[in-house]
Amino acid sequence: GDSVTQMEGPVTLSEEAFLTINCTYTATGYPSLFWYVQYPGEGLQLLLKATKADDKGSNKGFEATYRKETTSFHLEKGSVQVSDSAVYFCALSDQGNTPLVFGKGTRLSVIA
Amino acid sequence: GAGVSQSPSNKVTEKGKDVELRCDPISGHTALYWYRQSLGQGLEFLIYFQGNSAPDKSGLPSDRFSAERTGGSVSTLTIQRTQQEDSAVYLCASSFKGATEAFFGQGTRLTVV
Repeated sequence: GDSVTQMEGPVTLSEEAFLTINCTYTATGYPSLFWYVQYPGEGLQLLLKATKADDKGSNKGFEATYRKETTSFHLEKGSVQVSDSAVYFCALSDQGNTPLVFGKGTRLSVIA
Repeated sequence: GAGVSQSPSNKVTEKGKDVELRCDPISGHTALYWYRQSLGQGLEFLIYFQGNSAPDKSGLPSDRFSAERTGGSVSTLTIQRTQQEDSAVYLCASSFKGATEAFFGQGTRLTVV
């Protein structure tokens, strides 16, 4: 079945450091890929998405590129802020209205 | 409402009691999902409703878990004879028909003591 594997945390970075959170997936079809973010005490929010190979999703300075050849969707940000401290989840959906399959989440802590 | 609404936000219950968790999806969304988030774990899919179709119950962990969706809108997740391992955050999400992304509520934190 479909699955998502993301790097285990926690990840601790200093403010303005470069962030990469790795995500790879296994899927039978051509899934859409997502990054969701969960800030402390809140629900999940969609951060960015990509629906086909070579698409780049971006939002709030975060980027991720859908790489079909490596089945990856790594999350990057050039300069993190304390306010980026959260848990980040990589997810896929194989087709519309099928349940999202999530990775286990990566906790990011950014210190000033 | 503007977003997915879940209630209660927190629930503490004694082992063996039944609990009901409510989800009010975004107006017009035909798909509704329940997930469970346990400490240190990812999101575990529980059940999925799409319009008037039979729900996909493949993620329910035991027959103590059930869910209904009335009138294609509000959903209730029921856990009977709660156990301590049921303690988790229960998240509800909804989406438009055919959409791949889902919008999540803030969750219900269930603690079984």
